[in-house]
Amino acid sequence: EVQLVQSGAEVKKPGESLKISCKGSGYSFTSYWIGWVRQMPGKGLEWMGIIYPGDSDTRYSPSFQGQVTISADKSISTAYLQWSSLKASDTAMYYCARLRYSGSKMDVWGKGTTVTVSS
Amino acid sequence: EIVMTQSPATLSVSPGERATLSCRASQSVSSNLAWYQQKPGQAPRLLIYGASTRATGIPARFSGSGSGTEFTLTISSLQSEDFAVYYCQQYNNWLGTFGQGTKVEIK
Repeated sequence: EVQLVQSGAEVKKPGESLKISCKGSGYSFTSYWIGWVRQMPGKGLEWMGIIYPGDSDTRYSPSFQGQVTISADKSISTAYLQWSSLKASDTAMYYCARLRYSGSKMDVWGKGTTVTVSS
Repeated sequence: EIVMTQSPATLSVSPGERATLSCRASQSVSSNLAWYQQKPGQAPRLLIYGASTRATGIPARFSGSGSGTEFTLTISSLQSEDFAVYYCQQYNNWLGTFGQGTKVEIK
């Protein structure tokens, strides 16, 4: 079964760093892209960026460029989304999803990781 | 960046009735359009891709149409499990963008 398993919920303070993960299984991790999607409380879906674990080719939405870092470790079939200095406005649910190509549908989704940033 | 606009924001429909959701792109995306369903507390689920191809396991009551800049998702006879939020997403280039969503609620 193709699965994306995301790390657990996080509660952080403003200014702290954070790295959340998304582990793929049941398919060739290095042959598909992984995308990250933000959903702020009560709001819609926002496309953040994608990475190709095969060669670490990474692309960001202009809205998120410089705000987050997307990375992957193909040896453990895991993609990451990280922040160096969290803000309260980063409070959201973050989903990872699989894409066959960089311009492609998101066919398999993780269950999401809730990030809460509060002092 | 391609902007996706969905209408209406909320659609009130009785069970068994047809629901028609619209999605418009700010420029042509050919048929590179997907629809997702999201229920409360759940991750989105792929329903339709290529504007009109149902994803694996999606019931035939869901259908998609359109190309270029105008797209439609039709649910032919709403079931109780279909009340949810629906998002369109274009993937004509690597920078994918979502519409703001249409909530389908029970009338």
